[in-house]
Amino acid sequence: DAGVTQSPTHLIKTRGQHVTLRCSPISGHKSVSWYQQVLGQGPQFIFQYYEKEERGRGNFPDRFSARQFPNYSSELNVNALLLGDSALYLCASSRFDSTDTQYFGPGTRLTVL
Amino acid sequence: AQSVTQLGSHVSVSEGALVLLRCNYSSSVPPYLFWYVQYPNQGLQLLLKYTSAATLVKGINGFEAEFKKSETSFHLTKPSAHMSDAAEYFCAVSEGVGFQKLVFGTGTRLLVSP
Repeated sequence: DAGVTQSPTHLIKTRGQHVTLRCSPISGHKSVSWYQQVLGQGPQFIFQYYEKEERGRGNFPDRFSARQFPNYSSELNVNALLLGDSALYLCASSRFDSTDTQYFGPGTRLTVL
Repeated sequence: AQSVTQLGSHVSVSEGALVLLRCNYSSSVPPYLFWYVQYPNQGLQLLLKYTSAATLVKGINGFEAEFKKSETSFHLTKPSAHMSDAAEYFCAVSEGVGFQKLVFGTGTRLLVSP
């Protein structure tokens, strides 16, 4: 079975631009979560979506938004990029229950210049 | 809020030696705990998880972890290190009411020398 897939692999943007990152969950998983991993740190929770609704949000500004589509894939959007948004963005899918394993994709490396 | 603390940003061992990576958690409710591994330029792979069943949890690649409530610890061990174990290891606790959020530690980089 295919794992979590993310696109693109790498992305370079300049300050003030907008970016869209994409994620496809494991077949049968209805929940997608997004995490930001700054170099040298652990991942930080951004959002969780389940059945196309936002179920949880981390401590990130409104410049960050996401949505989930009927096929359970998801997009993460970041507006007005800042240098500090440079990070590895990880997508994880799960069935949803708090004990379920979250399976992570390979990530999208975003560099903001 | 729940949190985890990983002691030691870097741990160095020789091939064949015992691996011990430390994780302490802070939680007001019985926690769900996870260990993930991250190889360079890759995502996170689950090693094992504790969900209030057996306190000794066995994972993949010969790793195991023991949940000790009295010490609020969930240390990761492997009896004999292999060169392929060199990676970044993250301990995480699950929190959230009505949603699932993983709170990660800062990670421990395991270095394995021949």
